[in-house]
Amino acid sequence: KQEVTQIPAALSVPEGENLVLNCSFTDSAIYNLQWFRQDPGKGLTSLLLIQSSQREQTSGRLNASLDKSSGRSTLYIAASQPGDSATYLCAVLKIASGSRLTFGEGTQLTVNP
Amino acid sequence: GAVVSQHPSWVICKSGTSVKIECRSLDFQATTMFWYRQFPKQSLMLMATSNEGSKATYEQGVEKDKFLINHASLTLSTLTVTSAHPEDSSFYICSARAGGIGETQYFGPGTRLLVL
Repeated sequence: KQEVTQIPAALSVPEGENLVLNCSFTDSAIYNLQWFRQDPGKGLTSLLLIQSSQREQTSGRLNASLDKSSGRSTLYIAASQPGDSATYLCAVLKIASGSRLTFGEGTQLTVNP
Repeated sequence: GAVVSQHPSWVICKSGTSVKIECRSLDFQATTMFWYRQFPKQSLMLMATSNEGSKATYEQGVEKDKFLINHASLTLSTLTVTSAHPEDSSFYICSARAGGIGETQYFGPGTRLLVL
């Protein structure tokens, strides 16, 4: 059974700091891994999708890496801003699961002005 | 990116009534749609997967007679919570995918259901 773990569960940083969110998964047979952002009471916004053959993806101040063999992914946020405050979720699409995305519990990020 | 809408965004109903939630893909045809529920401070749990024109596939522990899913067209799926009870109160989120496995899933804004 695929398990996805995110560390830390919560993180509070001052504005401008660079930070790293971690995601680990137990089954390395995955199609891809996605990072999402969720604001309170809202749906999910896809940030980055990394295919299993890729090592990293970048979008603006965000960089996500994938090490499939070790079952780890990181989301790097550069020069954090108060508007980055949200819950960040990683999810993996396992090859044997058909269409099912398995989500981690999320990291709640607060960026203080 | 692609847009997925949900209606209503929130609903309050009395115990015993049925509630229908719509999920639409606005600018693409969704071959597959997914329904999730999320409890406070928890992650998303997949309830069911539906492909246009066929019956939904429900996850273990999800009652198909209580959570009726219809995927009548490539742009619309509905979730009906039948005979709702307070324990059904939750945040329901749909997502849609245009292509096959491995393609991006786009998520709707969610529907908050409160059953009194």
